[in-house]
Amino acid sequence: GAVVSQHPSRVICKSGTSVKIECRSLDFQATTMFWYRQFPKQSLMLMATSNEGSKATYEQGVEKDKFLINHASLTLSTLTVTSAHPEDSSFYICSARDGGQGAQNEQFFGPGTRLTVL
Amino acid sequence: GQQVMQIPQYQHVQEGEDFTTYCNSSTTLSNIQWYKQRPGGHPVFLIQLVKSGEVKKQKRLTFQFGEAKKNSSLHITATQTTDVGTYFCAGDYTGTASKLTFGTGTRLQVTL
Repeated sequence: GAVVSQHPSRVICKSGTSVKIECRSLDFQATTMFWYRQFPKQSLMLMATSNEGSKATYEQGVEKDKFLINHASLTLSTLTVTSAHPEDSSFYICSARDGGQGAQNEQFFGPGTRLTVL
Repeated sequence: GQQVMQIPQYQHVQEGEDFTTYCNSSTTLSNIQWYKQRPGGHPVFLIQLVKSGEVKKQKRLTFQFGEAKKNSSLHITATQTTDVGTYFCAGDYTGTASKLTFGTGTRLQVTL
């Protein structure tokens, strides 16, 4: 099946710093990628939809200036958490959809990034 | 906005027992997907249901989509320890999978 990688897998940073998370589709082109946030033992909350070559679409309540998304190529999307604070600590997961012919529209998830802000 | 609820929130079964999780949407869905997330892992796609009343089987797993396309269920027959994890349904309201709304999830624990 399709593989999505995410880097880094874990990051610990000081309050006020910015953190960049990369999401790559390794064996298919993804015109659309998704960024989720997941709290312990809870569901996935969609933060934004990343569209290659255009601006991301953010969900209600998600600050665009806080969570910067860049989808510069068909295989790479990045999420930058700017001026991170302890309340931003969470598990961030990206996913990509294979929009090719014959695809079922399922989303392939990356392994996630555990962010801890001190 | 659309909400997708799942029950139960958690279930603990003995190996060999059956298990069912139910998924309910506040509004009609275009289609529904199911994912499994193992402890410490990421969600993995299981199946997509599109048609009203559709039933699909994958070995011991049976997936159903309600006639009104507002609910769905996943039934596991004779659970095994490898079934441990959280099962999420994810609703697609757009028909284009441009956005999924994940359910609250059901965490399954299986013991010998």
